Amino acid sequence: AQSVAQPEDQVNVAEGNPLTVKCTYSVSGNPYLFWYVQYPNRGLQFLLKYITGDNLVKGSYGFEAEFNKSQTSFHLKKPSALVSDSALYFCAVPTGDSSYKLIFGSGTRLLVRP
Amino acid sequence: SQTIHQWPATLVQPVGSPLSLECTVEGTSNPNLYWYRQAAGRGLQLLFYSVGIGQISSEVPQNLSASRPQDRQFILSSKKLLLSDSGFYLCAWSPGRMNTEAFFGQGTRLTVV
Repeated sequence: AQSVAQPEDQVNVAEGNPLTVKCTYSVSGNPYLFWYVQYPNRGLQFLLKYITGDNLVKGSYGFEAEFNKSQTSFHLKKPSALVSDSALYFCAVPTGDSSYKLIFGSGTRLLVRP
Repeated sequence: SQTIHQWPATLVQPVGSPLSLECTVEGTSNPNLYWYRQAAGRGLQLLFYSVGIGQISSEVPQNLSASRPQDRQFILSSKKLLLSDSGFYLCAWSPGRMNTEAFFGQGTRLTVV
């Protein structure tokens, strides 16, 4: 079965520094991978997705993600963190017989300190 | 453009009372629809998904049920709530094809007392 894992419960970074939120995947066939962000008491917002092609995917709010097939990783990155980036981040992968179900990692809380 | 509406935003219900949460999608047809539950502000558990009217797949055995009476309407129900049903419930939709991203509603915070 397809799955993703987020090894870090929390990531702390200073404003202005680069940030990385890690995600590893286990899929059969071509991977489709997604990142979402959740602010407190809100629904999830789609950030970006990897389908095929360039290993560096650009998304919303200045975020990007790097797909690495050899390391089975899809890490979320941003060159310069903002305090407003503090939120809960999820990576996700479609699964199921027809790949209609989106399964999420356990989430990583990002705290950006001023 | 497509929008998803989920209500109510918050709900406090006594143990043993019924539940009905509603979700509707606008601006698309034949979407895939999903109900997720998020406990303690962390992981998301897929509860139900639907690929068409009247077609409901349940992911985990539980005290809840789902129905899809119309193409763009998805309802989460319970006949008798348990304390363990408390949580943050999220409705989502995706285009009716494989391997696509889903788009979420704003969620319902349910507290069972």
